[in-house]
Amino acid sequence: EAGVTQFPSHSVIEKGQTVTLRCDPISGHDNLYWYRRVMGKEIKFLLHFVKESKQDESGMPNNRFLAERTGGTYSTLKVQPAELEDSGVYFCASSQGDRGPGYTFGSGTRLTVV
Amino acid sequence: AQRVTQPEKLLSVFKGAPVELKCNYSYSGSPELFWYVQYSRQRLQLLLRHISRESIKGFTADLNKGETSFHLKKPFAQEEDSAMYYCALRGSQGNLIFGKGTKLSVKP
Repeated sequence: EAGVTQFPSHSVIEKGQTVTLRCDPISGHDNLYWYRRVMGKEIKFLLHFVKESKQDESGMPNNRFLAERTGGTYSTLKVQPAELEDSGVYFCASSQGDRGPGYTFGSGTRLTVV
Repeated sequence: AQRVTQPEKLLSVFKGAPVELKCNYSYSGSPELFWYVQYSRQRLQLLLRHISRESIKGFTADLNKGETSFHLKKPFAQEEDSAMYYCALRGSQGNLIFGKGTKLSVKP
């Protein structure tokens, strides 16, 4: 089966610009998660979709971040406007059930805000 | 508070030596713990989880509720084990709570 796909793999943008990250989960996986790792810090949870609904968005840092999952398939994470502290690696993961054996992660998007 | 602590940022051992990557957690209730690994230029992947009680690539991890630990061990390290290792706890909302990771370097 195809894995979790994320693109772009890298993005360099200027402070104040907008960036949209995309994640395509494994087909049939209802659960989709976004995480990010800021330089020097741990991987932190951002939010969790079950199909197209936001199950938990407690990890979203502020209202500059907007995640969507229209139709319950792929998801986008938009950062608008981007700030320097948004730089990091953004991971997406999917799973069939929310209490399953573990997630399948994508390769991540490395975002650099300059 | 739900937290995972990996005290070592970097662990360097020689090939054939035993290795132990430490992980401590804080969680009220029955924890569900995982070890994830990220090899160079590869994605984060599940190595093992405590409820499986399995050994993957020679690695084992035992949950010690008394010490709130889930250390990862391997008796004889191989060069191909060099990678970033993350201990993770499933939070009460279902999401994963990660430690900061330990970079394992196995020297020839």
